[in-house]
Amino acid sequence: DAKTTQPTSMDCAEGRAANLPCNHSTISGNEYVYWYRQIHSQGPQYIIHGLKNNETNEMASLIITEDRKSSTLILPHATLRDTAVYYCIVRRDNYGQNFVFGPGTRLSVLP
Amino acid sequence: DAGVIQSPRHEVTEMGQEVTLRCKPISGHNSLFWYRQTMMRGLELLIYFNNNVPIDDSGMPEDRFSAKMPNASFSTLKIQPSEPRDSAVYFCASSRQGLRTKNIQYFGAGTRLSVL
Repeated sequence: DAKTTQPTSMDCAEGRAANLPCNHSTISGNEYVYWYRQIHSQGPQYIIHGLKNNETNEMASLIITEDRKSSTLILPHATLRDTAVYYCIVRRDNYGQNFVFGPGTRLSVLP
Repeated sequence: DAGVIQSPRHEVTEMGQEVTLRCKPISGHNSLFWYRQTMMRGLELLIYFNNNVPIDDSGMPEDRFSAKMPNASFSTLKIQPSEPRDSAVYFCASSRQGLRTKNIQYFGAGTRLSVL
């Protein structure tokens, strides 16, 4: 599976949009981009995933560049409860494929 | 659905003792994963099962660790004998793997293990 690169940490003001970048320059054509987050002392939580089109759900939006070498997770109106570590993961969407979690981005939403 | 259920939530034991962690996956899910999280190594996969069969156990640290899945609704991770370096948070996750599913993993709340 392709390796991802994320900033170690980011700050965001409460109520503003949080834009979390992820580089995956070695992604291959059949690999999806997944985003998870982990709030302190909890298990990782699925946020969103996509292949090449932009995706939106009730939690966030995922913007994938046309060359698919990078993506951005957008939390449109960040709240204090969005403070967490955010993981960007690239993997094939096959049977029995596990997720490889990197260090992620620690997002701090500030009042 | 209640989600993935892990027990116990916290476990404190002494070095050399046997520890058993339990996991009940989401009903209808056919894949189950055991992860371990530490400050030093982050979140790492130990083993995963598909249709109750172990598929990849390459992440299991050593022979002291063993995992079983006797049926689709229950799995255990056993450490015998336990050592202080096994102290970590252990997560169980499950998913429904298939051609027309999203293959999303859902995680339990974890078991925080402290080996003294």
